[in-house]
Amino acid sequence: QQPVQSPQAVILREGEDAVINCSSSKALYSVHWYRQKHGEAPVFLMILLKGGEQKGHEKISASFNEKKQQSSLYLTASQLSYSGTYFCGTERGSSNTGKLIFGQGTTLQVKP
Amino acid sequence: DAGVIQSPRHEVTEMGQEVTLRCKPISGHNSLFWYRQTMMRGLELLIYFNNNVPIDDSGMPEDRFSAKMPNASFSTLKIQPSEPRDSAVYFCASSFTSSGRLYEQYFGPGTRLTVT
Repeated sequence: QQPVQSPQAVILREGEDAVINCSSSKALYSVHWYRQKHGEAPVFLMILLKGGEQKGHEKISASFNEKKQQSSLYLTASQLSYSGTYFCGTERGSSNTGKLIFGQGTTLQVKP
Repeated sequence: DAGVIQSPRHEVTEMGQEVTLRCKPISGHNSLFWYRQTMMRGLELLIYFNNNVPIDDSGMPEDRFSAKMPNASFSTLKIQPSEPRDSAVYFCASSFTSSGRLYEQYFGPGTRLTVT
């Protein structure tokens, strides 16, 4: 099964914050986050491995709670360039499989 | 580096015809992935290769789909015969994996396939 992302869509004003969640019913080894702009290919943001680590990429950070089998992506002080669809990709199991199952995506729109 | 290269970028074909999509991964990457993206089903993994060997093809919809990777710099995804429900954007992605660990995937620009 796909991981479940929430919310499905969010609209922000520039400078506002957002959180995107990704939940799985299966144990996860890693979570990968990608952003896709309309008409373009997905672009890598970050990877989190089991161990509860948190990572950051400019004003975008993420956490991974392996016990809850969920990850959250935090976008702070959003910019117009953050608009797009965010996907989490999960690597299931207790060890690496080399295979990602993507969620259905969360569409983020940042307005001036 | 030119990134992942896919061809053609757009393909319009009639039902029943054979379609071949091509991909050149980033040099040095040892894993290659074929994805299909539609509004209804999202981004689905069809098949992935590691060191030119197919590892998991459980996402291939049916026998009409086949994929090959004859060498480290080229892969094809073939649909024969094509059907209207195959209409989608097909992405190829490549990555470096070490000891099974999956690193970031680099996606190609995609091939938009329309089957009429």
